[in-house]
Amino acid sequence: DTGVSQNPRHKITKRGQNVTFRCDPISEHNRLYWYRQTLGQGPEFLTYFQNEAQLEKSRLLSDRFSAERPKGSFSTLEIQRTEQGDSAMYLCASSTPPGQGMNTEAFFGQGTRLTVV
Amino acid sequence: AQSVAQPEDQVNVAEGNPLTVKCTYSVSGNPYLFWYVQYPNRGLQFLLKYITGDNLVKGSYGFEAEFNKSQTSFHLKKPSALVSDSALYFCAVRVDFSGNTPLVFGKGTRLSVIA
Repeated sequence: DTGVSQNPRHKITKRGQNVTFRCDPISEHNRLYWYRQTLGQGPEFLTYFQNEAQLEKSRLLSDRFSAERPKGSFSTLEIQRTEQGDSAMYLCASSTPPGQGMNTEAFFGQGTRLTVV
Repeated sequence: AQSVAQPEDQVNVAEGNPLTVKCTYSVSGNPYLFWYVQYPNRGLQFLLKYITGDNLVKGSYGFEAEFNKSQTSFHLKKPSALVSDSALYFCAVRVDFSGNTPLVFGKGTRLSVIA
């Protein structure tokens, strides 16, 4: 499978615990995005990387959230001291920048569903 | 700021009939528009995009969309709906040419095709 891979698919955690999600993008894609999707809503942008550089962060990304992409390949999203409001589907996507296909579309993984109890 | 509106939460259509899922956008520059589909417990799958050129864009699974600059719309269409088209559809927009800004999504429209 050469698509975007996310692990785990599901995570149930107790409020206050820390969780970490992993995303493996399509191998030749140097852009990687994290989105959050809650029930009945479209995906909301959280942050994105070009190679290992984190280029933009949404105001939705509170200080409890941190994302890394240390070697420009896979990425991790960590949520510290989880709250019930963090329950959502966390989606990862990857793409190539313009010039390698001019504004190419983003390819999404299947997501990690987080439930905070 | 850029935004997308999908005015219908739900669209119902009989199998074999044409379908339309509506999308309007608001941007301060030239829009780059996308449609994605989401099946239950799955990620988003790309359907089609408008970047420039012909206003009628053809995509996967027989879907097409028409870019209308004067009406700021990018409605998704299919001439003959299938039951398997039942899913959640998202319209998205990006405003910058360089792609340095992320996609902004609408809230989604649930399409139900009835046999």
